[in-house]
Amino acid sequence: DIVMTQSPDSLAVSLGERATINCKSSQSVLDSSRSTNLLAWYQQKAGQPPKLLIYWTSTRKPGVPDRFSGSGSGTDFTLTISSLQAEDVAVYYCQQHYTLPYTFGQGTKLEIK
Amino acid sequence: QVQLQESGPGLVKPSETLSLTCSVSGDSISGYYWTWIRQPPGKGLEWIGFFSSSGNIFYNPSLKGRVIMSGDATNNRISLTLSSVTAADTGVYYCARGLWSGWIGELHPWGQGTLVTVSS
Repeated sequence: DIVMTQSPDSLAVSLGERATINCKSSQSVLDSSRSTNLLAWYQQKAGQPPKLLIYWTSTRKPGVPDRFSGSGSGTDFTLTISSLQAEDVAVYYCQQHYTLPYTFGQGTKLEIK
Repeated sequence: QVQLQESGPGLVKPSETLSLTCSVSGDSISGYYWTWIRQPPGKGLEWIGFFSSSGNIFYNPSLKGRVIMSGDATNNRISLTLSSVTAADTGVYYCARGLWSGWIGELHPWGQGTLVTVSS
């Protein structure tokens, strides 16, 4: 199985500041036929199901604020929130869907400093 | 818009079989992939497997052959059965749809989840 490792496990950022969450896969998740990395990011607020934020590494799902961005390639990926808002407090998960079984990172808990 | 709602017994005894249903409204289950994910209390997400009415099914080998998924196109719902449950199977179980028709990977939307506790 591809192991997805996120860092840090938790993060406290001041309102309006940048938050960066990293995700590393144990193998490349690059789909050469599509020239895209099959990596998605989800946001899970307390008591709610996860919500898809970003797919194909960097494509925001419609309706997701543009302060959220994704980047990376191969085995190293990053979710960045450019200016943290109070409503962004949540746990964030990366997921690879390149190789079965698909796997999630362990999650990164984002809080306000 | 499509909505998913999981339902199930809530409490299951060790060694028994867990059966959950995901009821889909707003769209047909046909043409899409449906994934089950679970989340132990206070922990992260575990991908269980997917089902499609076209016959494509995959179960996470970590569940050691205990899982079966099926679909009911007439009633527009997906089912999950997990046998020989233990306390380690306790958690919130979610169903989710592939983002696009015929696509497995990214998951949207998700149901609200149903909590299953395995205890005698």
